Amino acid sequence: GAVVSQHPSWVICKSGTSVKIECRSLDFQATTMFWYRQFPKQSLMLMATSNEGSKATYEQGVEKDKFLINHASLTLSTLTVTSAHPEDSSFYICSASSGRGVNEAFFGQGTRLTVV
Amino acid sequence: AQSVTQLGSHVSVSEGALVLLRCNYSSSVPPYLFWYVQYPNQGLQLLLKYTTGATLVKGINGFEAEFKKSETSFHLTKPSAHMSDAAEYFCAVKGMGAAGNKLTFGGGTRVLVKP
Repeated sequence: GAVVSQHPSWVICKSGTSVKIECRSLDFQATTMFWYRQFPKQSLMLMATSNEGSKATYEQGVEKDKFLINHASLTLSTLTVTSAHPEDSSFYICSASSGRGVNEAFFGQGTRLTVV
Repeated sequence: AQSVTQLGSHVSVSEGALVLLRCNYSSSVPPYLFWYVQYPNQGLQLLLKYTTGATLVKGINGFEAEFKKSETSFHLTKPSAHMSDAAEYFCAVKGMGAAGNKLTFGGGTRVLVKP
């Protein structure tokens, strides 16, 4: 099956610094990638949708200047949390879709971000 | 707009007993429906999906789900629970209308399996 690799799996950073999370599709070309945020014991909340080579589409209420998304190639998307604060601490999950057929999305293993 | 409701945030079953997780959806267009499983601190793994055709869908790990259009439901079942089934389960819907490629998730159901 299709594999999506997310890195790092966990990261601790200081308030005010920026953190970059990578999402790679290892064995297929991902025309669309999605970034989710998941709070403890809650469901996934879609943050943004990114299409290769174009600007990401952010969901309502998500600060695009704080959560920078880049989808520069068909196998890599990055999420940068800028000027991180403790309230940004969360579990971030990416998914990738080839855009064909049912457009099934494959998920990365997630990144646990802790801002101290 | 599309939405998903999972009845019961927690389900406790005995090992060997039936697992039943309920999912109801709303969608303005014929939906694609999915069930995912999430283990602690991991991403989501697809259990099964319904697109078109046969309404009873079989997935991995012995799970199956039935699409009932009249009831707008897509309940997940497994005849006999195993300890390894303890996890969080998410039902999701994808429509082909304005929502495009977006998956809308239910609130999740945490399954606890008792020995």
